[in-house]
Amino acid sequence: DTAVSQTPKYLVTQMGNDKSIKCEQNLGHDTMYWYKQDSKKFLKIMFSYNNKELIINETVPNRFSPKSPDKAHLNLHINSLELGDSAVYFCASSQYGSGRWGTGELFFGEGSRLTVL
Amino acid sequence: QQQVKQSPQSLIVQKGGISIINCAYENTAFDYFPWYQQFPGKGPALLIAIRPDVSEKKEGRFTISFNKSAKQFSLHIMDSQPGDSATYFCAASRQGAQKLVFGQGTRLTINP
Repeated sequence: DTAVSQTPKYLVTQMGNDKSIKCEQNLGHDTMYWYKQDSKKFLKIMFSYNNKELIINETVPNRFSPKSPDKAHLNLHINSLELGDSAVYFCASSQYGSGRWGTGELFFGEGSRLTVL
Repeated sequence: QQQVKQSPQSLIVQKGGISIINCAYENTAFDYFPWYQQFPGKGPALLIAIRPDVSEKKEGRFTISFNKSAKQFSLHIMDSQPGDSATYFCAASRQGAQKLVFGQGTRLTINP
């Protein structure tokens, strides 16, 4: 049973289009995240939701809009896609106080590779 | 502003050798330092972590060494195996803050 699942795994689209990525976690965690991994493998947090409430919103263009319908789901909608949006987007979840060191280990999905042409 | 700096970018080690990856951080408020391992096509997964109240943490062949005064920590992989070939990320955060800051990553290749 996949703990954090993202769909789609691959997304190829034209500049200017709008696209969405969906994420679901079955770990019972209260916090979910979106991370962006660029072509150089650099991982950067974009958003974090705790119990459906936005708690972290890094300096991300407002073309990116996360939505959390419930604490098990976090979706990412991107408007007016640009070439620079091409990256792998990772969803992750955590529960503070849980995990091997009680610090809220991050569990990542397998990523959604977005290619903007 | 890069709060966690990781080196080297890439590393090639012979099977059975020791792999060493280094990280330095700036924010003295950081008090949790995990290492994540990422295989191609997969998401990162927690490998090992340390808090600044100890100078070393060992789990099997993986050891974190921590130097609080120098604001540096490193990952040592003993008896490196081809299956260890992956990208490794160091990270840091403050307790209670649900935001991990990642280093730039190190692509490790273990030659058989």
